[in-house]
Amino acid sequence: EAQVTQNPRYLITVTGKKLTVTCSQNMNHEYMSWYRQDPGLGLRQIYYSMNVEVTDKGDVPEGYKVSRKEKRNFPLILESPSPNQTSLYFCASSLSAGWGYTFGSGTRLTVV
Amino acid sequence: AQSVTQLDSQVPVFEEAPVELRCNYSSSVSVYLFWYVQYPNQGLQLLLKYLSGSTLVKGINGFEAEFNKSQTSFHLRKPSVHISDTAEYFCAVSDRVAQEKLTFGTGTRLTIIP
Repeated sequence: EAQVTQNPRYLITVTGKKLTVTCSQNMNHEYMSWYRQDPGLGLRQIYYSMNVEVTDKGDVPEGYKVSRKEKRNFPLILESPSPNQTSLYFCASSLSAGWGYTFGSGTRLTVV
Repeated sequence: AQSVTQLDSQVPVFEEAPVELRCNYSSSVSVYLFWYVQYPNQGLQLLLKYLSGSTLVKGINGFEAEFNKSQTSFHLRKPSVHISDTAEYFCAVSDRVAQEKLTFGTGTRLTIIP
């Protein structure tokens, strides 16, 4: 089944403890992206990648890192999480943006 | 820079009534337009998209949207809604150059009243 898989689905962590949210797609898509969803703000793009080793900042990149070493994987790294990074995170992939993104099921992160 | 405005944060509609969810966008270049649906506790699913050609676009679940370039709008419509349409709907835009950068609106929560 064609899908974008994120792990974990739920995560509670403490301020300052480094964490990684994994994202993998099995559709051989070139484009991948991370979004965060907050009430009243919709989805905001954190980082995106156009291909292996090609990444760029979205609208809210502060406090996040990404890497694209393989085409299928696009992990999101929070080096020192803070409470304002408590949010619902989505990974997405696309053959090209004109096709529309396929989204993962989301990761609900709580930073205390 | 591009932006999307969804004018209504919540829309209550009686079952079997028609619905229109409004979306306006701003961009200095030609755009691609999308509507996504998010059912409770799920990810986003592509409902329909406008790339070029006919301005009336049909999507899944009986939804359609019309691209109006002069009014910079892309409103979503359904002639008769069902309880199962209860969800949050997001309009999104990407420009034809930086296609990977997809900008979302703040969403419209559609509630169907039995």
